[in-house]
Amino acid sequence: EAGVTQFPSHSVIEKGQTVTLRCDPISGHDNLYWYRRVMGKEIKFLLHFVKESKQDESGMPNNRFLAERTGGTYSTLKVQPAELEDSGVYFCASSQAVRASGITDTQYFGPGTRLTVL
Amino acid sequence: AQSVSQHNHHVILSEAASLELGCNYSYGGTVNLFWYVQYPGQHLQLLLKYFSGDPLVKGIKGFEAEFIKSKFSFNLRKPSVQWSDTAEYFCAVNFARGSGGYNKLIFGAGTRLAVHP
Repeated sequence: EAGVTQFPSHSVIEKGQTVTLRCDPISGHDNLYWYRRVMGKEIKFLLHFVKESKQDESGMPNNRFLAERTGGTYSTLKVQPAELEDSGVYFCASSQAVRASGITDTQYFGPGTRLTVL
Repeated sequence: AQSVSQHNHHVILSEAASLELGCNYSYGGTVNLFWYVQYPGQHLQLLLKYFSGDPLVKGIKGFEAEFIKSKFSFNLRKPSVQWSDTAEYFCAVNFARGSGGYNKLIFGAGTRLAVHP
């Protein structure tokens, strides 16, 4: 079974430019998450999709970040325009359906995209 | 706010030494607990998880963790580390419905473990 994949693995852009990150979850996983780790800090939640719907976007830093998940399959995270503080590693994770108790199953992570904004 | 604390940011051990990495969380309700590991150049992998039942959980590669509800802790242990255990270790907590945002994981800051031969 293929794992979570992310593209690109690295991206170096200049301040003010636009970048789009892509995540392909494990096939059949309804839940898709985006996280970010800024250098030296903890991994922080950005948002959660259930199929194509945004379940929780409380972690999105500001309106320069736009996430989509068309058709409930892959997801994209666009940063426009990028700022220096957006640099970090962006992780995507996926999990199967929520359990009857309301608790989500184990999240499986992709390799991350390292974004550098100069 | 819900938070997760990992006590040590850097740990250096010699091979065969015992390992214990501390993890505490702030919320007193129902939680799911995880330890993830990131080996150099690799992606985050699940080491072990606790959802319910026996509070002593065994994971891959000889790791185990004990959930102590009264202490809000989920410490990771390994009796004898190997050079190949060199990695960064993350404790993560998924808080139950009713506490808000129950699907997201709250991570600790991570602990970098270096094991010397």
